[in-house]
Amino acid sequence: SQTIHQWPATLVQPVGSPLSLECTVEGTSNPNLYWYRQAAGRGLQLLFYSVGIGQISSEVPQNLSASRPQDRQFILSSKKLLLSDSGFYLCAWSTHEAFFGQGTRLTVV
Amino acid sequence: EDQVTQSPEALRLQEGESSSLNCSYTVSGLRGLFWYRQDPGKGPEFLFTLYSAGEEKEKERLKATLTKKESFLHITAPKPEDSATYLCAVQVGGAQKLVFGQGTRLTINP
Repeated sequence: SQTIHQWPATLVQPVGSPLSLECTVEGTSNPNLYWYRQAAGRGLQLLFYSVGIGQISSEVPQNLSASRPQDRQFILSSKKLLLSDSGFYLCAWSTHEAFFGQGTRLTVV
Repeated sequence: EDQVTQSPEALRLQEGESSSLNCSYTVSGLRGLFWYRQDPGKGPEFLFTLYSAGEEKEKERLKATLTKKESFLHITAPKPEDSATYLCAVQVGGAQKLVFGQGTRLTINP
């Protein structure tokens, strides 16, 4: 069966510090991979998606970037965090329906 | 612009009191409508996919239906463990991208 791992679960980072969130998927090959962000009391917003290694599409302009160095690995990064980057970040994979990781709660202070 | 609107924002029911959650959508070419359940601090859990008007899916106390403009999630005789936020999403464009509604926060009181 397929599983998705996302870490860390919580993160508190100062403004201006770098960020790296990692997501890996097991049990499937060549999935579509996604990063979503959920602000408090709001729906999920798609940030990036990838249909293959090295292929990244950005949905909204922002302070973040994504990379897919391996088929089942997806990384969300920032060089300098802003207060507005705080939120709940979710990685997902899909070959048809989307399945989500458990999320990372990021607080920028 | 593709939009998904869920109502109500929050709903409190007594255990055993059946009700429905609404998801209305405006999209250019629906490729699928999805329902998820999300518990606090957790990632969304997949419930159903619906593809065409008239389609229905059931799972335990939940039943999802789809028309050309909206979907309903019916909950029959709910239990406290059904308390969660229920998210509706539509698939748009390629690469199975999803546009989500704001969610309905459902609370079932014992």
